[in-house]
Formats: sequence, structure tokens, C-alpha cells
Amino acid sequence: SQQGEEDPQALSIQEGENATMNCSYKTSINNLQWYRQNSGRGLVHLILIRSNEREKHSGRLRVTLDTSKKSSSLLITASRAADTASYFCATGGNDMRFGAGTRLTVKP
Amino acid sequence: DGGITQSPKYLFRKEGQNVTLSCEQNLNHDAMYWYRQDPGQGLRLIYYSQIVNDFQKGDIAEGYSVSREKKESFPLTVTSAQKHPTAFYLCASSIGRLAIQETQYFGPGTRLLVL
Repeated sequence: SQQGEEDPQALSIQEGENATMNCSYKTSINNLQWYRQNSGRGLVHLILIRSNEREKHSGRLRVTLDTSKKSSSLLITASRAADTASYFCATGGNDMRFGAGTRLTVKP
Repeated sequence: DGGITQSPKYLFRKEGQNVTLSCEQNLNHDAMYWYRQDPGQGLRLIYYSQIVNDFQKGDIAEGYSVSREKKESFPLTVTSAQKHPTAFYLCASSIGRLAIQETQYFGPGTRLLVL
């Protein structure tokens, strides 16, 4: 069964705008991860946030975690056409579960 | 170069035929995983292995089999019992020495099509 659920399913923005994607999950977690997938390719790890962290930054990425609401958000600032991809959140241990993803399109 | 490789990139299967997808890693990772991705969907876990000669079923193991005879290799066989095999198959690995969630490193995927 899927653990993470991303929202929205699809997002289309102009280059330079910010993109925000949300993830909700159902059970308690040790940490939560975000991955990116370009069309027809494997997934690439973006960032991991631990359950005792509330916010984490990596370059143009900002991830927040609210364990009381069982939710996380991924913010991509100053988006570029190259950010066009699907973004997934993932939770769990070795039997990690992925959501269905948010398909982000950044128009030049 | 260190990494995880999958072959072939595309694979065609005839009705009633078993096919095997290859996954190899030279990252010295203990844990390896197989996922299935249907069009526009997320990943669903088929099997995972935390150590050589041991593996566990994921959510959709029916119609699939795996082996883990070597640390570097985790081949997936799609058997004739899998009625809807057409999908994108992704292999991943992680360090695997911790019980908590770890970063997974993915291969480029194999697209399986049924003739």
C-alpha cells in the first residue's frame, strides 16, 4: 500500500516562479525523503528530513516536516525548465513506500 | 564509476514466457530492491533483500521471483503467472546496515512490454 500521498497531482508554472508540493503520510516515521524522476528515468534522491527536524534546505530546495499533521512540503524556488520532472515523497524502512508523485512542468 | 545498472533497457515478452531483468551494483550496498511503476503512477515494492541469500516479499510479489546469490546482483524474474507485466521496472540499493530508512540509489530502469 502507498504510504505517502503527494498533492497536487500535477503543477504547471512559469520559469522563475516557486513550486510547492505537499506530501501526507499515515503512520509515524523516522524520516521522510523526497526524490525526483525525469521522464523514463530512475529516481534521484533530493533530500532527507528526520522526524526531529522541522525544516531543511539544499540549494534551491526547502523541505518542511510537520509530524503532528503527518505532512511534509517541498518548495523549489526560482524554478527552471530543467526542474520539469515528477517528485515523490517516501517513508518507511527497508520496505520504503512512495506516493504517486507530483508532475511538475516548468515552462520557459 | 560506482553505480547501479539495469539491463536491458527494453525487454519484450511473449505470452507464457518467463523473462529475467538484471540489476547490478558496485556500491558495496547490502540492501537491494525491485519496484514496479505503471504509467503515471508511483512505485510499488515487489521484493527487497537486506543481505545475500535472503529476501522478502513486497506489496506485489505475486508472479515475480528473485534471487540474491551475490551481494552485487539481484535479478528479477517475471513469470508467466504475472498477468499484467507491462510496466517500468526499477531496481535500487541502499547501504542496508541500519534498521531505519536510508537513501536509495536507483538504476535507469527496464521497460517491459508484452507482445
